[in-house]
Amino acid sequence: QKEVEQDPGPLSVPEGAIVSLNCTYSNSAFQYFMWYRQYSRKGPELLMYTYSSGNKEDGRFTAQVDKSSKYISLFIRDSQPSDSATYLCAMAGGDSWGKLQFGAGTQVVVTP
Amino acid sequence: NAGVMQNPRHLVRRRGQEARLRCSPMKGHSHVYWYRQLPEEGLKFMVYLQKENIIDESGMPKERFSAEFPKEGPSILRIQQVVRGDSAAYFCASSPGTGAQPQHFGDGTRLSIL
Repeated sequence: QKEVEQDPGPLSVPEGAIVSLNCTYSNSAFQYFMWYRQYSRKGPELLMYTYSSGNKEDGRFTAQVDKSSKYISLFIRDSQPSDSATYLCAMAGGDSWGKLQFGAGTQVVVTP
Repeated sequence: NAGVMQNPRHLVRRRGQEARLRCSPMKGHSHVYWYRQLPEEGLKFMVYLQKENIIDESGMPKERFSAEFPKEGPSILRIQQVVRGDSAAYFCASSPGTGAQPQHFGDGTRLSIL
């Protein structure tokens, strides 16, 4: 079993809809959680960063962490075609703060 | 440019040759991380370095791969005697310090082995 599970998609939504992404994990030592966006042939771009449980909002993006369920989510409101990309969850903690564990990434397509 | 800089962006090598990938961290960042992304797979951690120190190399293959981050100059990921299976995108990230610091990534080096 992978430490971080993420549905690869693709997830297709119409422009203006809410995009809902999630990851589950098995390592209870994970304490900080990130979401990255990756366009084709580019590096991951940090979108959201949360430490421990809770919600965090930044513009159209909301990240949620539920440590009791080992489940994290990213919501994108008012989606735009430019949001079409692969979204990666990542997490770390315990004895390995520098070693990010990534999900496989979810491909999102926002159609005009 | 304040971002993480990687070069070259594309590197082609024949089997048995050496590949050297370079990474300059963001200004003010003293911690560097290398990840590998194979086709249809997620990013896999390879190594975590500070200046002149390897902090965690648990993701590095036991042979042919090495990494350094000297006191002066960029971090180098070195792959000796490359094989076809080394073909991948190699990403470097940096952070300002230890602990729960977010990592910022470069655009990667795409290594192709002929």
